[in-house]
Amino acid sequence: GAGVSQSPSNKVTEKGKDVELRCDPISGHTALYWYRQSLGQGLEFLIYFQGNSAPDKSGLPSDRFSAERTGGSVSTLTIQRTQQEDSAVYLCASSLQGGARNEQFFGPGTRLTVL
Amino acid sequence: AQKITQTQPGMFVQEKEAVTLDCTYDTSDPSYGLFWYKQPSSGEMIFLIYQGSYDQQNATEGRYSLNFQKARKSANLVISASQLGDSAMYFCAMREGGYGGATNKLIFGTGTLLAVQP
Repeated sequence: GAGVSQSPSNKVTEKGKDVELRCDPISGHTALYWYRQSLGQGLEFLIYFQGNSAPDKSGLPSDRFSAERTGGSVSTLTIQRTQQEDSAVYLCASSLQGGARNEQFFGPGTRLTVL
Repeated sequence: AQKITQTQPGMFVQEKEAVTLDCTYDTSDPSYGLFWYKQPSSGEMIFLIYQGSYDQQNATEGRYSLNFQKARKSANLVISASQLGDSAMYFCAMREGGYGGATNKLIFGTGTLLAVQP
């Protein structure tokens, strides 16, 4: 079946503009995650959605970052008033819930460049 | 606070030889899961192997095995019979909480860049 998809694959924007990044999880996966990977670094957790539960927003770096998940499927990560330090690859992942393993399947990422 | 440490920024290995990538972790939660992911130059994250904190045996998946030493809080990845296609960045990650842990978020290490030489 289809994996996690993300769009756009690349986004170049000017400082101060708003951007929206989209994630389509694997069909049937109830959990969805957003991570950020800065150049040469590991992944940094941003936000986690699980079904109808309140999302875990503990990783969002500032109030300029927000995310929503509509209908328990597609998610959009919005960054308002982008800054140069927001430049990174934004990765989305999804997983089944239940079971000890719950491995996360990642999308190809969106490379964001803020000029 | 939970933390993952990968002390090897880069490693070289000859094709067909085995290589061990180090990972240590810190957590106060008795229930946790440990993961290894591979990230080739193309950027996608590929799940390799999982070890639960209560698993009695070391995990194995084909050429990948996890040397889990709970008392030392280490979860080293062993790749046997290295292939040129194994050249990639490798990330160790931890999830706190056991069966369907409360948040499921993964904490990642900084990665080890593995280069397999012919």
